[in-house]
Formats: sequence, C-alpha cells, structure tokens
Amino acid sequence: GESVGLHLPTLSVQEGDNSIINCAYSNSASDYFIWYKQESGKGPQFIIDIRSNMDKRQGQRVTVLLNKTVKHLSLQIAATQPGDSAVYFCADRSPANTGNQFYFGTGTSLTVIP
Amino acid sequence: ETGVTQTPRHLVMGMTNKKSLKCEQHLGHNAMYWYKQSAKKPLELMFVYNFKEQTENNSVPSRFSPECPNSSHLFLHLHTLQPEDSALYLCASSQASGQGYGYTFGSGTRLTVV
Repeated sequence: GESVGLHLPTLSVQEGDNSIINCAYSNSASDYFIWYKQESGKGPQFIIDIRSNMDKRQGQRVTVLLNKTVKHLSLQIAATQPGDSAVYFCADRSPANTGNQFYFGTGTSLTVIP
Repeated sequence: ETGVTQTPRHLVMGMTNKKSLKCEQHLGHNAMYWYKQSAKKPLELMFVYNFKEQTENNSVPSRFSPECPNSSHLFLHLHTLQPEDSALYLCASSQASGQGYGYTFGSGTRLTVV
C-alpha cells in the first residue's frame, strides 16, 4: 500500500539557521506533492507544492526539492523563525488515486530555539 | 481563518450519545473530505464528497455517518462511539476531485469519547 513517511519525528534548530525536513514516498506514480504546516490547535495549512515534472520549487523562505529517482522530498526553510515551530507534513497524490486523495506522512515536529 | 469552518472546536461525548460535527466552506470548492488525526499516526481519510456525491468511504465503521446536503456543507454524525474514536477530526475542501488540487483544512474538532 501507499506509505509516505518522514525521516525524523522531531527537529530542533536555532533561530536564524536553515531547516531541512525530509520525506520519503513509496508510490512511483505519484505526480503531485504538497507540504503542510500544522500549528498547535489548528488544521494543516498549505505551504508549497511541486509537480513531478519539476525537481525544485521556491517560495518565500521555503524551497521544496523532489528527487523522483529515490522517491524523496524535502522542505528547506531559510532563516528559521520561532513562528516556524510546528508539525510539518508531506503529502503525495497519484493519478490512480480515487478522486483527489492525498496520502500524508506522520509529520515532523520542528522546534525553533530562540 | 482558512475559509473552512468547523464546529464545535471541542466535543466530549459519552459512548451512548449522538452528536454531529459540522463543516462549512465558502471557497467555491466542489469536493469536501473528512479526515481523522490521531497522535503519532498519518492523517486517515474517512470520506470524500465530490459535487455532493460520496465518492469514497475508506472502510469507516458505521457509527460514523457523513452527510453532504450541498457543496458548501458537510456533516459527520456520530453515535455509539468508542474511546478509541477520540481524535482530531479535520474537514477539508478542494476545488474538485481531480488532478492537482490541494486541500484547504479547517481547524478541526477535538473529540473525546468517555
């Protein structure tokens, strides 16, 4: 079955440093990937997405890298701030999935140390 | 506010009670979803509605009963729940049940079954 996992359940970084959160997926047919951020007491919020025809996409302070050869996805956060402390999920989707179903990883909890 | 509103935010219910969770979106989306979020587990898809029609029931026990009266509203009716059903229940919506549309999540209902 589908599995989307994260390499580390927790990550602590110093404020101002860069953060890298990794994710592995198992379905080679996955064509669309999203990173979500979930703060305490809130639902997941969209951060950035990438399609399988790309290997890098940049947003404001965030970059997503996709390596389809090894089925690996990463989220890089530049100059990490205390407000970045949250749980980060990756999600992937395959055209074979019924409807628009995404599969989610278990999440990495990022703590930013002031 | 993400545009997806869930009520109530918190719910405590006994195993013999009947209650309902409500989700509302005014984003013009045509697909709505119920997810269950338990500690240390990936988000579990429960139900998918596309243009008010249920397109997915992910082997959810019958004590959970969804209802989608229109594209903007989604309910989850609960009865005779078990303590292991305690979790955060998240509603999400997307433009359509098709390729490349990410979800917008609500803040969730924290359910405790006693």
